Amino acid sequence: EADIYQTPRYLVIGTGKKITLECSQTMGHDKMYWYQQDPGMELHLIHYSYGVNSTEKGDLSSESTVSRIRTEHFPLTLESARPSHTSQYLCASYQGNTIYFGEGSWLTVV
Amino acid sequence: AQKITQTQPGMFVQEKEAVTLDCTYDTSDPSYGLFWYKQPSSGEMIFLIYQGSYDQQNATEGRYSLNFQKARKSANLVISASQLGDSAMYFCAMRERSNTDKLIFGTGTRLQVFP
Repeated sequence: EADIYQTPRYLVIGTGKKITLECSQTMGHDKMYWYQQDPGMELHLIHYSYGVNSTEKGDLSSESTVSRIRTEHFPLTLESARPSHTSQYLCASYQGNTIYFGEGSWLTVV
Repeated sequence: AQKITQTQPGMFVQEKEAVTLDCTYDTSDPSYGLFWYKQPSSGEMIFLIYQGSYDQQNATEGRYSLNFQKARKSANLVISASQLGDSAMYFCAMRERSNTDKLIFGTGTRLQVFP
């Protein structure tokens, strides 16, 4: 079983609020990823990281930001949430030939 | 740029029959890996199978097999003896090993298994 955790699982917040989605893995993986997915739709890569202090933007433009100060921690932050940010956010890490996913964070902005 | 294409938005199959889900990819990197994931309505991502670009044989994992045709750049998933619990979204994904290490996914295929 993969040791990658996301919190919160579900969140409803008001427009303009700042939110940080947490992602932690205990496997020591260097490569980590954030995907945005609307229900039943494709996964869009929004951020990825090769390791500590290394972050890159993905293929889908996102107003979110990420940081990688520790190997095990890859949080995603929205400075000012908007209804268009309503979606599921999936965190993943990669090692060998397997991608490990967290359970996802469902964000609703009202 | 790397790209994954899944042309079947939805597929139906009768229980106990086999079904093939299509996936084609585009990359200029000679070294890459291909993945298939299952996503039930609960939203979790379940790893099914992996194929490396240099693997000589097609990957198999239980009822799942990957029909890898390198020259055609296709990596179709074959599910044998379908079960009702196989109803879910299925995503094909690719990672280029020598480039950016990005993992990108296709648009997915929704499979429905009926009795």
